[in-house]
Amino acid sequence: DAGITQSPRHKVTETGTPVTLRCHQTENHRYMYWYRQDPGHGLRLIHYSYGVKDTDKGEVSDGYSVSRSKTEDFLLTLESATSSQTSVYFCAISEHRDSPLHFGNGTRLTVT
Amino acid sequence: QKEVEQNSGPLSVPEGAIASLNCTYSDRGSQSFFWYRQYSGKSPELIMSIYSNGDKEDGRFTAQLNKASQYVSLLIRDSQPSDSATYLCAVKNEAGKSTFGDGTTLTVKP
Repeated sequence: DAGITQSPRHKVTETGTPVTLRCHQTENHRYMYWYRQDPGHGLRLIHYSYGVKDTDKGEVSDGYSVSRSKTEDFLLTLESATSSQTSVYFCAISEHRDSPLHFGNGTRLTVT
Repeated sequence: QKEVEQNSGPLSVPEGAIASLNCTYSDRGSQSFFWYRQYSGKSPELIMSIYSNGDKEDGRFTAQLNKASQYVSLLIRDSQPSDSATYLCAVKNEAGKSTFGDGTTLTVKP
């Protein structure tokens, strides 16, 4: 999958706990993205990064924060998980501004 | 209004037929346009990229772009049961932000 690793692949957590998902790439691509996918909603952008320490919000950023201290790692943090954040989370990378995205295998997060 | 809208599905076609998938977008600053295919339980994978007005063909797939009408389409000729999947339209703007439609689920019946 184009050198993208998401961890963990599955996680069950309780409401109110912090959760961090990791995306690691070996392609040295500039752009990295976090999406969530829910039935009937397609892929919704949470945050994306256009370089180290450069990030911007997507359409569903509330309740999420991100960090990118190295080119290869993009972290997504749920400060206090809620049941509405139960979803499948996909990380994606893109070499250039107008290049297509390559996706990781996804993380299935369940908040109980 | 959603930034990227796809024709509502599901879409069902017989094997060998042409499947037509449509997408409209609202941001006139959009630069790049993509179609992805996603099988159930899997990650999306790229089928086609298109950047300029007109048609782009790749095997059984043809993407069409009309920037004036803010419209992108995907035609699948000689549809096969293995084409049964959800097809996602995506648009990138000048900042590299990538926005997806909700997808259209295609079923090709043998």
